[in-house]
Amino acid sequence: DVKVTQSSRYLVKRTGEKVFLECVQDMDHENMFWYRQDPGLGLRLIYFSYDVKMKEKGDIPEGYSVSREKKERFSLILESASTNQTSMYLCASSQTRNEKLFFGSGTQLSVL
Amino acid sequence: SQQGEEDPQALSIQEGENATMNCSYKTSINNLQWYRQNSGRGLVHLILIRSNEREKHSGRLRVTLDTSKKSSSLLITASRAADTASYFCAPGSSGSARQLTFGSGTQLTVLP
Repeated sequence: DVKVTQSSRYLVKRTGEKVFLECVQDMDHENMFWYRQDPGLGLRLIYFSYDVKMKEKGDIPEGYSVSREKKERFSLILESASTNQTSMYLCASSQTRNEKLFFGSGTQLSVL
Repeated sequence: SQQGEEDPQALSIQEGENATMNCSYKTSINNLQWYRQNSGRGLVHLILIRSNEREKHSGRLRVTLDTSKKSSSLLITASRAADTASYFCAPGSSGSARQLTFGSGTQLTVLP
């Protein structure tokens, strides 16, 4: 079965630090996504990518950037972490547009 | 992209009872998907129903789709304590969008 691996389960960072969240999938999927999940707000799409070196903004890209140098890896970067970026971050991948996302286990990021 | 809106926000039932959750969306779709999320984990894909289907079954899950009303329902029969989770619907757009978006979900609690 498809595995989507997020590098950290829990992460604690200081305000102003540069933060890298890594995501790797092992099924050669074209599409990869980063969401954040906050209580009462559901999942919100930050960025997505449908090919190597391609990226598109989701609904809340401000304060984030992404990198996709290899097909299997999609990184989310917080250039200068702020406390309002404390959240659960979820990575997902899919082969077919708009069908069956496979999610990682999530990274709970706390910015102090 | 569009997100589905799940209803109710929370549902509490006894083990053995059936649980019904509803989803509404706004524009035309190719498919509609349901996902489950256990507390603090990633989402897991449960079932996909295409726009030309009216009903689909998978084990104890039954999904219906009414495209004229732009709504779907997820029925879990003979619920178990292990079904306690959040459930999300995700409409798959018929446009060119590659991404799925999610609402806040229905929190289902099954009491033993």
